[in-house]
Amino acid sequence: NAGVMQNPRHLVRRRGQEARLRCSPMKGHSHVYWYRQLPEEGLKFMVYLQKENIIDESGMPKERFSAEFPKEGPSILRIQQVVRGDSAAYFCASSPPGDSLYGYTFGSGTRLTVV
Amino acid sequence: GQNIDQPTEMTATEGAIVQINCTYQTSGFNGLFWYQQHAGEAPTFLSYNVLDGLEEKGRFSSFLSRSKGYSYLLLKELQMKDSASYLCAVRSLTGGGNKLTFGTGTQLKVEL
Repeated sequence: NAGVMQNPRHLVRRRGQEARLRCSPMKGHSHVYWYRQLPEEGLKFMVYLQKENIIDESGMPKERFSAEFPKEGPSILRIQQVVRGDSAAYFCASSPPGDSLYGYTFGSGTRLTVV
Repeated sequence: GQNIDQPTEMTATEGAIVQINCTYQTSGFNGLFWYQQHAGEAPTFLSYNVLDGLEEKGRFSSFLSRSKGYSYLLLKELQMKDSASYLCAVRSLTGGGNKLTFGTGTQLKVEL
């Protein structure tokens, strides 16, 4: 029973390139969330998705960032034209429908480094 | 909006008890969670409170007072492996109903 799978675990991009981060939720989980974490800081909410729907994107930067959760396949967080300030750990989490007593299950994260 | 406050760091001795406080302001409160996060790893679930009172789970307990917007995580019989960041998170009925907003975390250091 695999947990939340994120890949890649580490990603290095040059300034101006695109970064694609993938997340496969736990089996039976239909809700996906993306968070960003800077060193020694808390988790900052970015976006909440269900299959083919963006429920809440209030934490997404207005430009260069987008997210999707298609009917088939993993959720993708896409960062275009990356800048050094995008360097962070990006965590994906998933939950089942309804109020879960366990909140979210987190993936191991993708550590993005922009050089 | 939501506001969650917790101390930045705490230090305690192996075998002792430590209490990590969390205060919050939110609309549409729908539960409070505590997570543990070791450096470089994913956060893992510790506890959940939605009603006032104390929830006990082994060495870990969590308390909630909704009227005061206050929670604490109590760790007993501290072990070196408990050195980690402890994240308080609030779930709100707004924004789709399932979104967790996290505090900045409390870095706990357990010393001999």
